[in-house]
Amino acid sequence: QSMLTQPPSASATPGQRVTIPCSGGSSNIGRNGVSWFQQFPGRAPQLLMYDNNRRPTGARDRFSGSKSGTSASLAISGLQSDDEADYYCATWDDSVNGWVFGGGTKLTVL
Amino acid sequence: QVQLQESGPGLVTPSETPTLTCTVSGDAINSGHYYWTWIRQSAGKGLEWIGRVYLGGVTNYNPSLKSRVTISLDTSKNQFSLKLTSVTAADTAVYYCARQGEVTLGGVVEMNWIDPWGQGTLVTVSS
Repeated sequence: QSMLTQPPSASATPGQRVTIPCSGGSSNIGRNGVSWFQQFPGRAPQLLMYDNNRRPTGARDRFSGSKSGTSASLAISGLQSDDEADYYCATWDDSVNGWVFGGGTKLTVL
Repeated sequence: QVQLQESGPGLVTPSETPTLTCTVSGDAINSGHYYWTWIRQSAGKGLEWIGRVYLGGVTNYNPSLKSRVTISLDTSKNQFSLKLTSVTAADTAVYYCARQGEVTLGGVVEMNWIDPWGQGTLVTVSS
């Protein structure tokens, strides 16, 4: 059971905007920045967003992140077929003294 | 460009103590700038942070695995390793090594990130 909660699936059509939520608590999201990772089948996760809304070099600006209280979300605008992947949120948890991950959201582009 | 590459035994029998190694290129693990991290993923499941090591051998472990895990540095080879004792089928997973960075101010972590990751190595526990 993950300490961060994500919906198992999400879907949208090309060109649409989709938002993936991530819910946590006061010891994790409430205190620390949230990262997001994108993972394609058979591949390693790749950093997509960190510190809630910072994109690493090379990340596409169609992706954006936000945080409010103990929840965070990843938004993808102008959805494309190659955005179909699994998306994971993660953050440091002060009570666990370690990183915690969400269970992942499988995004389907219809 | 920093690259990480895992290596491991592949197939292990229950109760064995496998050791996985991560070889780092393009960065020195003794630079003191980053934590070196292990994360695993069971088939069809999510990601689980195992632990991390810092220069000098300072470690943090996932409390659920702490009694069975040792992460250590080999600066002479620019490698770090994961040793997992008393493995069971539940430890079957793809194991990733990764570099974790953070920015602190006055002892408080201002931001952190996990990047890059290795490609992962599958460890199967089976008799």
